[in-house]
Amino acid sequence: AQSVTQPDIHITVSEGASLELRCNYSYGATPYLFWYVQSPGQGLQLLLKYFSGDTLVQGIKGFEAEFKRSQSSFNLRKPSVHWSDAAEYFCAVAPGNTPLVFGKGTRLSVIA
Amino acid sequence: NAGVMQNPRHLVRRRGQEARLRCSPMKGHSHVYWYRQLPEEGLKFMVYLQKENIIDESGMPKERFSAEFPKEGPSILRIQQVVRGDSAAYFCASSPPSNEQFFGPGTRLTVL
Repeated sequence: AQSVTQPDIHITVSEGASLELRCNYSYGATPYLFWYVQSPGQGLQLLLKYFSGDTLVQGIKGFEAEFKRSQSSFNLRKPSVHWSDAAEYFCAVAPGNTPLVFGKGTRLSVIA
Repeated sequence: NAGVMQNPRHLVRRRGQEARLRCSPMKGHSHVYWYRQLPEEGLKFMVYLQKENIIDESGMPKERFSAEFPKEGPSILRIQQVVRGDSAAYFCASSPPSNEQFFGPGTRLTVL
């Protein structure tokens, strides 16, 4: 069965610092990969997705993610964090046109 | 093009009552997914529907829960005889035949 691991439950970074959120997945082939962001009390917003092709994908709000097949990873990065980036971030995988399997999320706090 | 709509946004029920959650997919989307989010957890898949068909209900509890997506009208997730453990946020997502799912704002169910 597919699974997604987000090893960091909670990360705190200073505003303006760089950010990397980790995501590892377990699946036999290359699944579709997604990062979503959820603000408190809100739904999920898609940041970026990887289906195939270039392994470095650009998303909204200045985020990017790199797919590394050898490490079964799809880490999310941002060079300079803004206070408005504080939220919960979820990595998800889907082996084709099927329901998403989510990680447990990483809560990002941003300090001045 | 309006996004995925869910109502109500908040629902309070007493134990033993029924809860009905509605989801209107984005225009042109024929695939609907329901997910449940428990506190401090990621989203867990419940059921996947296309118009008038249940495609995958492997994540749905065997008793008390049902879902439908009629030819006309919204998708409905129905929980009979609610218990306190049903308290959660329930998210609906819709997609076209590709696998990019768009999420609604969720319904937060509280069972007293």
